[in-house]
Amino acid sequence: SQTIHQWPATLVQPVGSPLSLECTVEGTSNPNLYWYRQAAGRGLQLLFYSVGIGQISSEVPQNLSASRPQDRQFILSSKKLLLSDSGFYLCAYTTNRGSYNEQFFGPGTRLTVL
Amino acid sequence: GQQLNQSPQSMFIQEGEDVSMNCTSSSIFNTWLWYKQDPGEGPVLLIALYKAGELTSNGRLTAQFGITRKDSFLNISASIPSDVGIYFCAGHPTSGTYKYIFGTGTRLKVLA
Repeated sequence: SQTIHQWPATLVQPVGSPLSLECTVEGTSNPNLYWYRQAAGRGLQLLFYSVGIGQISSEVPQNLSASRPQDRQFILSSKKLLLSDSGFYLCAYTTNRGSYNEQFFGPGTRLTVL
Repeated sequence: GQQLNQSPQSMFIQEGEDVSMNCTSSSIFNTWLWYKQDPGEGPVLLIALYKAGELTSNGRLTAQFGITRKDSFLNISASIPSDVGIYFCAGHPTSGTYKYIFGTGTRLKVLA
């Protein structure tokens, strides 16, 4: 069966510190991977997506970056966090099954920047 | 970024009542997905729709892919307290993108 993991579950970081959030997927090969951010009580904002190793598409210019070093690993990073980076970060994947693609989400990481 | 128009934004209902929410778009979609999100958790996929006119059920939930391919609705019958949460729709455009477009969510509160 397919599963998606995110860690850490919660994180409190000072302004200006670096960030690394990790997402891994099990049970599927060559998934499309996505990073979203969700502000409190708000919808989902797509940050990055990847269709293969080393392939990253950025949706929103900001001080975050993403990398995909392995097929089923997706990392969200920052060199220096801002207060506005606080939020709930969600990783998601889709399997490539032609026209029948469903997107599944991980449990999320709650980031608080102080 | 682009978002779907999802309504209502929030609703309070009595336990046992039926609930209906919908999403509309100016673009044609080839896939509609409906999710439920509990506080502090990731969205969970409830129903996936792939064909115009398709009607799919999952327990007390029923969703339909609009004939025009620009809308979808989700119905919940005989609501119970655990139906509380935020419901999101998501659409996948017909071609040329790997991105999903998400609705702004419907916050459901059930009064016992």
